[in-house]
Amino acid sequence: SQQGEEDPQALSIQEGENATMNCSYKTSINNLQWYRQNSGRGLVHLILIRSNEREKHSGRLRVTLDTSKKSSSLLITASRAADTASYFCATAVSNFGNEKLTFGTGTRLTIIP
Amino acid sequence: NAGVMQNPRHLVRRRGQEARLRCSPMKGHSHVYWYRQLPEEGLKFMVYLQKENIIDESGMPKERFSAEFPKEGPSILRIQQVVRGDSAAYFCASSPPMRDTQYFGPGTRLTVL
Repeated sequence: SQQGEEDPQALSIQEGENATMNCSYKTSINNLQWYRQNSGRGLVHLILIRSNEREKHSGRLRVTLDTSKKSSSLLITASRAADTASYFCATAVSNFGNEKLTFGTGTRLTIIP
Repeated sequence: NAGVMQNPRHLVRRRGQEARLRCSPMKGHSHVYWYRQLPEEGLKFMVYLQKENIIDESGMPKERFSAEFPKEGPSILRIQQVVRGDSAAYFCASSPPMRDTQYFGPGTRLTVL
């Protein structure tokens, strides 16, 4: 398996429900980031969590990081139709910023109105 | 502050032709990254550049691909003698110095006939 794998690969839920996506990685990291990609578009940065953090919130988003298990989860609460997109986790290993990101394979989320 | 600009958005080339993809980073961003995304896959890092310098090209194919970020003007990703396997979406991202978050452009979708 490769650095950064999300599961599930695809998820369909009813509008208003919560959506949880998971990401696993293999090497030690400095930070982990979540991005959203709408079909045919570029990526939008959602949230960054550092290796010394365990949980972070941003609006309806909640991210957790477990470095002992090398895993992260993204929770979207009270989902909306506009949340339909692919979600990717990406990891960075440096402490100094400005380095390549290693992306996972993504979770395709569909919100059913 | 305009976002990361990429052009063209769509590019069609025949096998053997050259493809030139352009990326203008956000104002104040001196770091540029190129990623490639094959259909239904995550993004794969290709190259990281600063002005007039290639910092990390570990993801670049050894042949036919080159990248530059001149002192003036956009960053260019150049693919010579394109083959069908080069068909993909190519994304550029930029970041300011010493920052982890990368801001992505809308991508260039290359189709090789």
